[in-house]
Amino acid sequence: AQSVSQHNHHVILSEAASLELGCNYSYGGTVNLFWYVQYPGQHLQLLLKYFSGDPLVKGIKGFEAEFIKSKFSFNLRKPSVQWSDTAEYFCAVVGRDDKIIFGKGTRLHILP
Amino acid sequence: GAGVSQSPRYKVTKRGQDVALRCDPISGHVSLYWYRQALGQGPEFLTYFNYEAQQDKSGLPNDRFSAERPEGSISTLTIQRTEQRDSAMYRCASSSGTSRYEQYFGPGTRLTVT
Repeated sequence: AQSVSQHNHHVILSEAASLELGCNYSYGGTVNLFWYVQYPGQHLQLLLKYFSGDPLVKGIKGFEAEFIKSKFSFNLRKPSVQWSDTAEYFCAVVGRDDKIIFGKGTRLHILP
Repeated sequence: GAGVSQSPRYKVTKRGQDVALRCDPISGHVSLYWYRQALGQGPEFLTYFNYEAQQDKSGLPNDRFSAERPEGSISTLTIQRTEQRDSAMYRCASSSGTSRYEQYFGPGTRLTVT
């Protein structure tokens, strides 16, 4: 079955630290990849997406993600996190049956 | 409104009761999706509509779950004879016809079955 694995369920960082959240997917066909974010008390929103082209994708709020086909990975990065980045982050892929499959999420907590 | 809205935001119901969850998508969005998210998990697909037509209901867990979108706008997800295992966050999302993978989510309905 197709799946998305997020390796870190809970990450705690201090402000200004660098962030990398891991995401691996199992689907081997044409991939459409996403990172969604849910800030406390808010709804899920799209952070960035990859459909084709440059494998380094830039999203909102200084986030970026790199699609590495050989590693089936789409890791999320930010060079310097802020307290306001505290949120839950979900990696997702469009599966073979054209449905979006989400990972279990990573809770990120930034210490002020 | 500007975004996807869902009501109620919270619902507590007794086992065996029926519940109806409502989703009002972004105006003009063709596609509407329902997801269920259990605690500690990501959202899982339930069903989706293009306009009023239910295109895929393969994610509905059993026949107690049904959904409709009769006029191609507002949708209702109905759970009959609720069970404790139905407790979850139910999320609705909508997308335009040109970019169906870019889905905009509502705030969700937290359902608790006691």
